[in-house]
Amino acid sequence: KAGVTQTPRYLIKTRGQQVTLSCSPISGHRSVSWYQQTPGQGLQFLFEYFSETQRNKGNFPGRFSGRQFSNSRSEMNVSTLELGDSALYLCASRDDRSYEQYFGPGTRLTVT
Amino acid sequence: GDSVTQMEGPVTLSEEAFLTINCTYTATGYPSLFWYVQYPGEGLQLLLKATKADDKGSNKGFEATYRKETTSFHLEKGSVQVSDSAVYFCALSGLKGAQKLVFGQGTRLTINP
Repeated sequence: KAGVTQTPRYLIKTRGQQVTLSCSPISGHRSVSWYQQTPGQGLQFLFEYFSETQRNKGNFPGRFSGRQFSNSRSEMNVSTLELGDSALYLCASRDDRSYEQYFGPGTRLTVT
Repeated sequence: GDSVTQMEGPVTLSEEAFLTINCTYTATGYPSLFWYVQYPGEGLQLLLKATKADDKGSNKGFEATYRKETTSFHLEKGSVQVSDSAVYFCALSGLKGAQKLVFGQGTRLTINP
């Protein structure tokens, strides 16, 4: 079974721009969550989706948004990028029976 | 709110040494507990988990026991290898079935041959 895939793997953007990251969960998984990883703040929860509905949201500004499609693929969007948004963005999909979460390799976003 | 505290790193050991990485948590109710490992340039991999008090999770020679009385989930391995070098994260999910994970700050482990 293929794992969680994230695209793109690397991204360089300029302050003020917006960016969209994509995540394809493991086949059959309906739950997707997103995390931001930085050296200073560590791993922080962004949001989670289940069957196209956002079920929980972390403490991030409204510039961070996401959505999930009917095939369970998810996207997250960050508008008006700031230097502090530079991070590794990780997506995870969850097995609804075991509740185990499987992470993708991440998208490394650099804002200049 | 829920939180996880890990021993600070980095930790450097020689091959075949005994490993302990301490993890304590604060949570209401009965969280599920996890250890994840992150190798350079990769995402997180689930190493082991425990879902109730006194459960022992184990995988690849690593073990951790869910201790409710001490709110701890320490990671141990009897004999580490160079290939165990990575960053280790302790995490909890606060409610049964909840997807949100709360992570500790991570512990970087380096094993020297």
